[in-house]
Amino acid sequence: AQSVTQPDIHITVSEGASLELRCNYSYGATPYLFWYVQSPGQGLQLLLKYFSGDTLVQGIKGFEAEFKRSQSSFNLRKPSVHWSDAAEYFCAVTNSGYALNFGKGTSLLVTP
Amino acid sequence: DTGVSQDPRHKITKRGQNVTFRCDPISEHNRLYWYRQTLGQGPEFLTYFQNEAQLEKSRLLSDRFSAERPKGSFSTLEIQRTEQGDSAMYLCASSSGVGNEQFFGPGTRLTVL
Repeated sequence: AQSVTQPDIHITVSEGASLELRCNYSYGATPYLFWYVQSPGQGLQLLLKYFSGDTLVQGIKGFEAEFKRSQSSFNLRKPSVHWSDAAEYFCAVTNSGYALNFGKGTSLLVTP
Repeated sequence: DTGVSQDPRHKITKRGQNVTFRCDPISEHNRLYWYRQTLGQGPEFLTYFQNEAQLEKSRLLSDRFSAERPKGSFSTLEIQRTEQGDSAMYLCASSSGVGNEQFFGPGTRLTVL
C-alpha cells in the first residue's frame, strides 16, 4: 500500500540550530514530493516540491530538501532555525498528480 | 485575487443536521480539491474537480457527503445527517494543472455536538 511516514511527531530545536525533518514514502514509482508548513490559524503553505531532476531542491524561507531514491526519503533541512519556524510540517506525496497523500506531520518547537 | 477562500471559517451544528461549506478557488485555477484534517493528523483527500467535472472521490466520502462545482468556479461540500465523527477541519485547495502546487484555503472547522 502507498504510504507516507514522518517518524518524528515532535521535534525541539534551539534557535539558530540546524534542522532536519524526516519523510519516507512507499510508492511503486518515483512520485511527486512536497513539503508543506501549517502555522496555527493559517492555511497550508508549500515550502518546496520535487518532480524530477536535481535531487536537492531549494524552497522558500531558507528550506531545502533532498530526494534519495535508494532510501525512499525526502528529508527537509534548514541550516539555522528561527523562532518563526515553529509550526507543523507535512510531507506530501502523489503519483496521480492530484490527490496528495500527507504524512501525519511533525510539530516543531523552537526554544530560545 | 488573494488566494483560496472558504466560508464559513467555523461551523457548530447538532448531530443529524445538514451543513454546507463553500470554497472559492484562485480564479484561473481549473482544479479544485477537498481534504479533511482531524486533530493530530495530516489532511486526507476527499475529492477533486477539473472544471465542473468531479473526477475522483475517496472512499472516505460516504454517501452523506456530496460536492459540486457548478460552472467550474466555486465549489460546495454538503454533509447530510452529520455525525460526531464528521468533526474536523475541511480544507479546500486549487491548482492550475497536473502536479502543480496546490494552494490551500484557511479551512472550515466543523464541530458536531
